[in-house]
Amino acid sequence: NAGVTQTPKFRILKIGQSMTLQCTQDMNHNYMYWYRQDPGMGLKLIYYSVGAGITDKGEVPNGYNVSRSTTEDFPLRLELAAPSQTSVYFCASNPRADTNYEQYFGPGTRLTVT
Amino acid sequence: DAKTTQPTSMDCAEGRAANLPCNHSTISGNEYVYWYRQIHSQGPQYIIHGLKNNETNEMASLIITEDRKSSTLILPHATLRDTAVYYCIVRSGTGTASKLTFGTGTRLQVTL
Repeated sequence: NAGVTQTPKFRILKIGQSMTLQCTQDMNHNYMYWYRQDPGMGLKLIYYSVGAGITDKGEVPNGYNVSRSTTEDFPLRLELAAPSQTSVYFCASNPRADTNYEQYFGPGTRLTVT
Repeated sequence: DAKTTQPTSMDCAEGRAANLPCNHSTISGNEYVYWYRQIHSQGPQYIIHGLKNNETNEMASLIITEDRKSSTLILPHATLRDTAVYYCIVRSGTGTASKLTFGTGTRLQVTL
């Protein structure tokens, strides 16, 4: 299994541009998550999904959108990029909501908005 | 979910045990203690978790005090590759999703 994969690894956007961060997992996990991590800080939850067709907001959802049309994919869309969205973005998944299941994280996408 | 408090940074000599403390004095009965680590901007990696009893796996041991208000992650023989930021997270056992709340963690530096 490849686990959780994210593309691209790096991206530079100009203010006002849009882009989609891709996340795919091949473990047939129902639950998927998007986090962002600003320099020197812990991760903050942006959006999450408990299954195909179901998404919900996390702690910092403003400026982002998500969709979950398949179990495998959970893309994160940035509309009208702003410098405040400069961050490292991590996607994660786990099979169930129970406490006994760890989250598996992807390698991250480093985004700079200038 | 309960808040956690960890030291900002710690040093450990290679080959020695690294003991990373975490305070979670407001933890409630159904909340678990999780530990993750993040090596140099990679995605966080799960280490171990527990509810009441001490736990051990191939990576580490988790010691939870009897009153559950604090815990210690033990890396028995730290290596240079264990240099990372370690996050202690307390999370409810119920809910629709396993949302994790990351603080700023403890930066562990393992030295020769």
